[in-house]
Amino acid sequence: QSALTQPPSASGSPGQSVTISCTGTSSDIGGYNYVSWYQQHPGKAPKLMIYEVNKRPSGVPDRFSASKSGNTASLTVSGLQAEDEADYYCNSYGGHNNPVVFGGGTKLTVL
Amino acid sequence: EVQLVQSGAEVKKPGESLKISCKDSGYSFNSNFIAWVRQMPGKGLEYMGVIYPGDSNIRYSPSFQGQVTISADKSISTAYLQWSSLKASDTAMYYCAREYYGRLDWWGQGTLVTVSS
Repeated sequence: QSALTQPPSASGSPGQSVTISCTGTSSDIGGYNYVSWYQQHPGKAPKLMIYEVNKRPSGVPDRFSASKSGNTASLTVSGLQAEDEADYYCNSYGGHNNPVVFGGGTKLTVL
Repeated sequence: EVQLVQSGAEVKKPGESLKISCKDSGYSFNSNFIAWVRQMPGKGLEYMGVIYPGDSNIRYSPSFQGQVTISADKSISTAYLQWSSLKASDTAMYYCAREYYGRLDWWGQGTLVTVSS
C-alpha cells in the first residue's frame, strides 16, 4: 500500500491562508470519510488537528479547516500564526483489510 | 482522560532483542485500538500496525509484517512492540496511539530506540 502524496513544503506570511493537499486512491481517501490531519512540532509527538475529513477535536482553533474531493483531501490554515510552523501529516483509513496509511508530510513555514 | 505512557529510551546493539511498552492509564484499554507508529530520524510518520486488546486481534502494515511483533497484556493495560533481532535501520522514535478508524487521537510521548554497534 503506497503512502499518500503530500507536497514536501508550503509557506505563507502571517495572516495569510495556506492549503496543503493529500492525494490517495479510491481504496483509502476516496473510499472512506476517515481522513485525519496531524501537526508535529520538532521534538514533539504528533497532535490530531482534524478527523473524519473535517471535524476538529476540542481545543483546535477554527483557523484549521479541511475538506475532501474524490481521492484528494485538503487542510487549510487561515490567519497564519508563527506557532503554526510545523510538519503536517494526513492519514486515511483503508478498510478492514488495509492498514492505515500516512502521507509523507508537509513542512509549513510561516514567513 | 486517556494517557499513554511509553517506556524509556533504549540503546541496543545489532542482533539484540527488545520489547518496548505503552501503558494506558485510562479506563477503556480493552475497548480501544492501540496503534504503533515509527518515525525514523528526520523522516515522516509510518503506520506499523494495530492491536485490539479486547480480543488480541492484530493487523500489521505490509512493510512491518514479520519484522516486529505487537502484543498486549489486558491485565495491566499495556501494549508492546518487540523485535527479536534489531538492525541499525530500526533506529527511530516509536509512538503508540489510540486509534479509531485511522484517527490517532491520544499519543504516547514516544520511545527512542537507537541501534548501534
